[in-house]
Amino acid sequence: GENVEQHPSTLSVQEGDSAVIKCTYSDSASNYFPWYKQELGKGPQLIIDIRSNVGEKKDQRIAVTLNKTAKHFSLHITETQPEDSAVYFCAAVSGYSTLTFGKGTMLLVSP
Amino acid sequence: DTEVTQTPKHLVMGMTNKKSLKCEQHMGHRAMYWYKQKAKKPPELMFVYSYEKLSINESVPSRFSPECPNSSLLNLHLHALQPEDSALYLCASSQDRNGQGGGFNRGYTFGSGTRLTVV
Repeated sequence: GENVEQHPSTLSVQEGDSAVIKCTYSDSASNYFPWYKQELGKGPQLIIDIRSNVGEKKDQRIAVTLNKTAKHFSLHITETQPEDSAVYFCAAVSGYSTLTFGKGTMLLVSP
Repeated sequence: DTEVTQTPKHLVMGMTNKKSLKCEQHMGHRAMYWYKQKAKKPPELMFVYSYEKLSINESVPSRFSPECPNSSLLNLHLHALQPEDSALYLCASSQDRNGQGGGFNRGYTFGSGTRLTVV
């Protein structure tokens, strides 16, 4: 089955800096890659996703890049703000399978 | 309505109790899921319903019993749980790509979860 590796497990940045979280996947048939933000006591919230026919997608301060050849995808957050502090999960979906999550990254943005 | 609503938000139950978790969505999604999440871990898939039929059971113990009364509702019946079952239980839904229960590669929407404590 699919295996998703996520790094780093913890990321601390200063407000205004950029943050990058990286994930790799094992199943070359995976074709959908969502990113979720989970705040304390809440369920995961979809913040951006990308499909395998696209190399990059951007939504305001958040962008995701996908390298199918290398089987890795990354989340980029620019101009970080304290409210970006949360746990971020990457995930991959392969055709008829369901979400496989990475282990998560705790992002801490200091004012 | 773009939400998945879960009730209750918190539940404390004894090991001999029977309780149920409820989940509701009105987005027209035809796939619904139960996940279990322990602290500092990613969600773990428990069950998948597609078009109101159970399509995936990830070897979950029988003390957890899912039910999908209709396309908008998903229940999880709990009986004789153990303290190690304490966790955040998340419901999610997604559009199903086709009518044959496959293709779960659409955006998943998660509820806020039920925080379950078994004493």
